[in-house]
Amino acid sequence: GENVEQHPSTLSVQEGDSAVIKCTYSDSASNYFPWYKQELGKRPQLIIDIRSNVGEKKDQRIAVTLNKTAKHFSLHITETQPEDSAVYFCAARNTGTASKLTFGTGTRLQVTL
Amino acid sequence: NAGVTQTPKFQVLKTGQSMTLQCAQDMNHEYMSWYRQDPGMGLRLIHYSVGAGITDQGEVPNGYNVSRSTTEDFPLRLLSAAPSQTSVYFCASSFDLNYGYTFGSGTRLTVV
Repeated sequence: GENVEQHPSTLSVQEGDSAVIKCTYSDSASNYFPWYKQELGKRPQLIIDIRSNVGEKKDQRIAVTLNKTAKHFSLHITETQPEDSAVYFCAARNTGTASKLTFGTGTRLQVTL
Repeated sequence: NAGVTQTPKFQVLKTGQSMTLQCAQDMNHEYMSWYRQDPGMGLRLIHYSVGAGITDQGEVPNGYNVSRSTTEDFPLRLLSAAPSQTSVYFCASSFDLNYGYTFGSGTRLTVV
C-alpha cells in the first residue's frame, strides 16, 4: 500500500519568514495530494491540494509543488504569521484504483514573533 | 448544512465495554472514512466506505466494525474496548475521490 513520509516533524520560523514542509510517497500511481492544517484541539481542514497533471499550485501565501519523477511534494508558506502555527499533514491517494487517503505523520509549525 | 457530525465528543469506557461512535453527513457524499489520531502517528485509517452497503478495511481495523446502511451514516463500533484504543477518532467524507475530505469535530475516547 501507499506510504507517505513527512519532514520535518517540527519547524520553528520567525514571523515573516517562509516555511517549507516536504513529503515523499511510495506509490507511483498516486495522483491526488491534499494538505491539511490542524489547529490545537480542532479538526483537520483542507488548505490546498494538487493533482498529478499539475506541477505547482498557489493560493495567496500558500503554494504546493509536485515532482512526480522523484515522488515528492512540498508545501510552501510565505510571509508566515502567528495564525499559521498549527500541525500540517500531507496525504496521497491513487484515485484510479483506491479510495484510501494515506496521511503523513504531520509537521508542527511554530511561528514566533 | 451541518457538514460531518460526530457524537459523542468525549467518552470514557472501561476495558471490555462496547460502544458505537456515530457519524452523519448531510452533503450526499459517497466516500466516508474513520481515522484515529495518536500523538506522533498522524491520522491512521481504520475503515472506509465508497457508498451505501460497501465497506473495506484500512490500516488499523482490528477491534473495530463498521456498516453503511445509508449514504448519510457511517457508525464505528468498538467491540470490546482496550486501553490501546484510547485515541481521538475522526470521521471524514468526500464527494469524490478527486476532492479532499471534510472532517467531523472528532471524538476523544479514553479506555481505562
